[in-house]
Amino acid sequence: NAGVTQTPKFQVLKTGQSMTLQCAQDMNHEYMSWYRQDPGMGLRLIHYSVGAGITDQGEVPNGYNVSRSTTEDFPLRLLSAAPSQTSVYFCASSRKRGPETQYFGPGTRLLVL
Amino acid sequence: TQLLEQSPQFLSIQEGENLTVYCNSSSVFSSLQWYRQEPGEGPVLLVTVVTGGEVKKLKRLTFQFGDARKDSSLHITAAQPGDTGLYLCAGILTDRGSTLGRLYFGRGTQLTVWP
Repeated sequence: NAGVTQTPKFQVLKTGQSMTLQCAQDMNHEYMSWYRQDPGMGLRLIHYSVGAGITDQGEVPNGYNVSRSTTEDFPLRLLSAAPSQTSVYFCASSRKRGPETQYFGPGTRLLVL
Repeated sequence: TQLLEQSPQFLSIQEGENLTVYCNSSSVFSSLQWYRQEPGEGPVLLVTVVTGGEVKKLKRLTFQFGDARKDSSLHITAAQPGDTGLYLCAGILTDRGSTLGRLYFGRGTQLTVWP
């Protein structure tokens, strides 16, 4: 049982490049979400999914796309990277939406030059 | 706009001291959670409180949910260097239409406990 896994751990991009951050969970959780963490800002929700085929926007969705074709995977796509997207990205999953334990991955550290 | 305000932002204390971290809002939450995050890792859940006035204890950590469900506190007794980390509160609003069930995080309190 690996929990929530994220790849890559680190990434450097140039402005305008695109990339996909991978997230997978093996706990058969319905609810998955992506957060970004910036110094002094806590965690801000980017996108979330309540099940396969269902996604919705969070607080800071601009510049990011998601899809959920399977229960296990929830990739986050940066369409055209900007320096403002330099951050640490965390994927999380929980059994369902609501006051459930959120299980977080180890994070992806992204630097956009 | 930050729904949950945490204070203090930074806390540096000596081993053995007591401390309290606060999480406040003008909004009502159906539940509040506290997470602890260590450098280079994702947050890990410490506790969930769901009833106004609820108090939960986890060894030397005491969590309280305000009667009006707008605030919460985390009290640590006799802090140890192993308590060092970023403490985050997170809440689910009672009624926000399509955002119901979404978790909102505070900015966190960075605690450092010196030996």
